[in-house]
Formats: sequence, C-alpha cells, structure tokens
Amino acid sequence: DAGVIQSPRHEVTEMGQEVTLRCKPISGHNSLFWYRQTMMRGLELLIYFNNNVPIDDSGMPEDRFSAKMPNASFSTLKIQPSEPRDSAVYFCASVSGTGSTEAFFGQGTRLTVV
Amino acid sequence: AQSVTQLDSQVPVFEEAPVELRCNYSSSVSVYLFWYVQYPNQGLQLLLKYLSGSTLVKGINGFEAEFNKSQTSFHLRKPSVHISDTAEYFCAVTLMNTGFQKLVFGTGTRLLVSP
Repeated sequence: DAGVIQSPRHEVTEMGQEVTLRCKPISGHNSLFWYRQTMMRGLELLIYFNNNVPIDDSGMPEDRFSAKMPNASFSTLKIQPSEPRDSAVYFCASVSGTGSTEAFFGQGTRLTVV
Repeated sequence: AQSVTQLDSQVPVFEEAPVELRCNYSSSVSVYLFWYVQYPNQGLQLLLKYLSGSTLVKGINGFEAEFNKSQTSFHLRKPSVHISDTAEYFCAVTLMNTGFQKLVFGTGTRLLVSP
C-alpha cells in the first residue's frame, strides 16, 4: 500500500481565499484523523472520523474550518476564508479498525496564507 | 481528559552518547502510550507503544521506553545515538477503550545529535 496520501504537499494562498486539503487513507482503515502542527501549539487534533462519520470535531478552531469524508477512501479539510494564522502543516492519519493501535500519518500539507 | 507533558523542548547530545527523552501523562483511566518520530519534512512514524504486559518496551532503531504507572511516566531511551537520530520525538496517549480513540500528543522534543 502507498500509505496515507495527502495533497497538495505545499499550498500558498492569499488571505480570504478558500483552501481545500485532501487525504486518501490506507485502504481498509476505518478511522481518519486531521491534525494541525504549528511551532506555537504543536500537534492539535482537529477532527476525527470513524466509518466516515465525524466523531469528535471539538478541535476545529472555528466555523471557517470544515471537514468531510464522503466515502472510505477520501476526506477533505476546507478553510474558507483562509487567514494568515491558519498557516501550518496539516496532517492526515488513518487507523485500521480491527483492534489496531497504530496511526499511520501522511506526509502533510504545508499551508502558507499570505 | 488525558494529557501529555514533554518537559524538554530540545535535547542536544553527542554521537554515541546515551539519551533519555522524558514524557509524563495524566489520565483518570488506563491508557495506551506511544512514541512517534518525525524526520524533517516528513509525517510521524511509530517508534514503539505500550499497551499492556512488560513495562519495558522495545521499538525500532534501538529505542526503548519504560512505563512507570506510579510516576505516570513513559520515558524514551537509547544507549548510543547516531547522527541519523536527529529528529522530533512525540509522546502520545490514548484511552484504553473499545476501538481506537483520539491520540493526544505532547509538544515534542527535538533531539539534536552532533559529531
């Protein structure tokens, strides 16, 4: 398996624009997590899904952020409108549901909002 | 809710020296504990994990960690580090429960290995 795939790897956008980050989890995994990493706040869990259903979105910073998982093989994290303080590396991770305790991370999307 | 504290933001060490990266956790219920490593411009990779059983856990790349319930600690150790061990190390915790619950990470410790 190719692992967790995130796209794009880098994104530079202007303040106010809509940004969509994409994630393809490992096939067969049924839990998916979105994290944000910054120097100031470290790794923050934004939201996680189990069997495509959002379980906990308490980490989503505000209404400008939304996440969807329309099927088991795809998830998006959208920021609209984007702001400079959203600049960070966003990671997606997936976990197999069959008693596994290991999260597999993608390589991340580095977002810069100017 | 569970939480993780990594007191050392950066640990400089010379090559072939031993190293210990500290991790303390807080939780009112039993937890699973993990160490992940992040190399520059990469995602996180699992080093080792404690689920149950022996409190000394061995992982990849010669790392090991010891679970100490009384001190609520899970410190990571390596007897002799290499330059290639330079990376960011994250301790994480999740609640023992049916199904995988959310991982809560510490703020990370940057290990800097110099010749």
